[in-house]
Amino acid sequence: EAQVTQNPRYLITVTGKKLTVTCSQNMNHEYMSWYRQDPGLGLRQIYYSMNVEVTDKGDVPEGYKVSRKEKRNFPLILESPSPNQTSLYFCASSPLWGRASTDTQYFGPGTRLTVL
Amino acid sequence: QKEVEQNSGPLSVPEGAIASLNCTYSDRGSQSFFWYRQYSGKSPELIMFIYSNGDKEDGRFTAQLNKASQYVSLLIRDSQPSDSATYLCAFKRAGSYQLTFGKGTKLSVIP
Repeated sequence: EAQVTQNPRYLITVTGKKLTVTCSQNMNHEYMSWYRQDPGLGLRQIYYSMNVEVTDKGDVPEGYKVSRKEKRNFPLILESPSPNQTSLYFCASSPLWGRASTDTQYFGPGTRLTVL
Repeated sequence: QKEVEQNSGPLSVPEGAIASLNCTYSDRGSQSFFWYRQYSGKSPELIMFIYSNGDKEDGRFTAQLNKASQYVSLLIRDSQPSDSATYLCAFKRAGSYQLTFGKGTKLSVIP
């Protein structure tokens, strides 16, 4: 089944404890992206990657890191999480993003992160 | 400046009625427009995309785009309770790798 998976789905942690949220897609998509969703603020892009070893900042990159060493994986790293990073996080992927008008993004199930 | 405005709602319509969801955008370089549906606690899923002025129909859904007025809308005919969700509009600039979302409109279809 074609899908985007994220792990963990739920995570409660404490301020300053490094964590990684994994994202994997099995559709051979070139483009992958991370978003956070907060009440009243909507979906905001954190980082995106156009291909292996190619990443760029989105609208809210502060406090986050990413890497794209393999095409299928795009982990999100919080080196020193803070309470303002408590949010719902979505990973997404797309086959041709940026090259065609009609390409679309496929979203993972989401990771609900709480930083105490 | 990238900005997408949506009425946050909630928008309540009776079952069987037409639901009209609206979105305005400020970036005149926007090329493609998308409507996503998001059920509570779930991830967004694409309903429709549109990139030419006019109407595009897919089943009970019609997307309307007016680039001169910087306006995109989604009509849902014969609304069903299962249509109750938050609807997100989003746009992408030509050649851009970024998708900008509105904050979403919550739709409730009352049986």
